Amino acid sequence: SQTIHQWPATLVQPVGSPLSLECTVEGTSNPNLYWYRQAAGRGLQLLFYSVGIGQISSEVPQNLSASRPQDRQFILSSKKLLLSDSGFYLCAWSVQYAPLHFGNGTRLTVT
Amino acid sequence: EDKVVQSPLSLVVHEGDTVTLNCSYEVTNFRSLLWYKQEKKAPTFLFMLTSSGIEKKSGRLSSILDKKELFSILNITATQTGDSAVYLCMEYGNKLVFGAGTILRVKS
Repeated sequence: SQTIHQWPATLVQPVGSPLSLECTVEGTSNPNLYWYRQAAGRGLQLLFYSVGIGQISSEVPQNLSASRPQDRQFILSSKKLLLSDSGFYLCAWSVQYAPLHFGNGTRLTVT
Repeated sequence: EDKVVQSPLSLVVHEGDTVTLNCSYEVTNFRSLLWYKQEKKAPTFLFMLTSSGIEKKSGRLSSILDKKELFSILNITATQTGDSAVYLCMEYGNKLVFGAGTILRVKS
């Protein structure tokens, strides 16, 4: 069966520090991968999605970037965090037009 | 621009009540509409709706889609405290767009 792992679960980082969040999927090949951000228990904002290795689409211009170095690995990064980057980050995977399956998320607090 | 609007934004009911959550959408190249339940962490999948008028049902939860009027509803009957969560509606079109969610609190 397919599983998705996302870490760390929580993270507190100072303003201006770098960020790296990692997500890996097991049990499926060539999944679509997504990074979402959720503010204050509300709706999810799509940040990046990827349909294959090295293929990244950005939905919202911001201080973040994403990479997909391997088929089932998706990384969210920042060179210098801003206070406004605080939030709950969710990774998800799907196969085309099938439901998304989410990781347990990373709660990021930028201080 | 694709848009998904959920109502109400929040709702407080007592155990045993029936609730109806609403989701309207304006999307390009609509494919399907999905409902998720989110408690503490990961949203969990409830229903995927692609055809109008066909009710999907799972226990006390049910959902239906109206592609002519561009909306969907999620019904929960005989609510329990375990139904307390944020319910999210998502559309699969050219984009994957979520609504802002409905916060449901069920009081015992």
